[in-house]
Amino acid sequence: NAGVTQTPKFQVLKTGQSMTLQCAQDMNHEYMSWYRQDPGMGLRLIHYSVGAGITDQGEVPNGYNVSRSTTEDFPLRLLSAAPSQTSVYFCASTEGRINTGELFFGEGSRLTVL
Amino acid sequence: SQQGEEDPQALSIQEGENATMNCSYKTSINNLQWYRQNSGRGLVHLILIRSNEREKHSGRLRVTLDTSKKSSSLLITASRAADTASYFCATDDPHQGGSQGNLIFGKGTKLSVKP
Repeated sequence: NAGVTQTPKFQVLKTGQSMTLQCAQDMNHEYMSWYRQDPGMGLRLIHYSVGAGITDQGEVPNGYNVSRSTTEDFPLRLLSAAPSQTSVYFCASTEGRINTGELFFGEGSRLTVL
Repeated sequence: SQQGEEDPQALSIQEGENATMNCSYKTSINNLQWYRQNSGRGLVHLILIRSNEREKHSGRLRVTLDTSKKSSSLLITASRAADTASYFCATDDPHQGGSQGNLIFGKGTKLSVKP
């Protein structure tokens, strides 16, 4: 059972470039989310989705775009990368409502924007 | 918007000792969760405690919750070198509308267990 799979694990971008971080889960979870983790800041929620076709913004959504066309996949798009988006990105999912269940995390995608 | 705040930021102990980490939060909650993160890895869920519970155990882990003080503690007994990791508390935000409640994470406690 793979759980939550994130690709790529590492990426270096130049300012202004765009890219997509992929996230897939094989647990048939309805809820999926993206967090970013920065030193001294903990994890901050970027976007989340409570099911296919439904997405919403979290705490720090600016500069990011998401879509949820299937239950399994929840890609995160950086529209025009900025150095401030250098971070470690985590995708997470849960079976039920987010505030009653444990989150399952991927291994992270480490992004550097030059 | 930080909800949980762990204390201490870093903790260094010897193998076999107990480790206690604390978490304080600001608003009322439905539940509080603790997660572990090994260096360079994703977070792993440890334990969830609901607002109507005061104490919960899981193996060598003991979690307490004091809603009157808006605080929780995580105790790891008889620590091992493999317990070296960062530990985060996370609280649900009950003030979010509908079913889209979010988990809000603290900044974490970095635990180092020396063999």
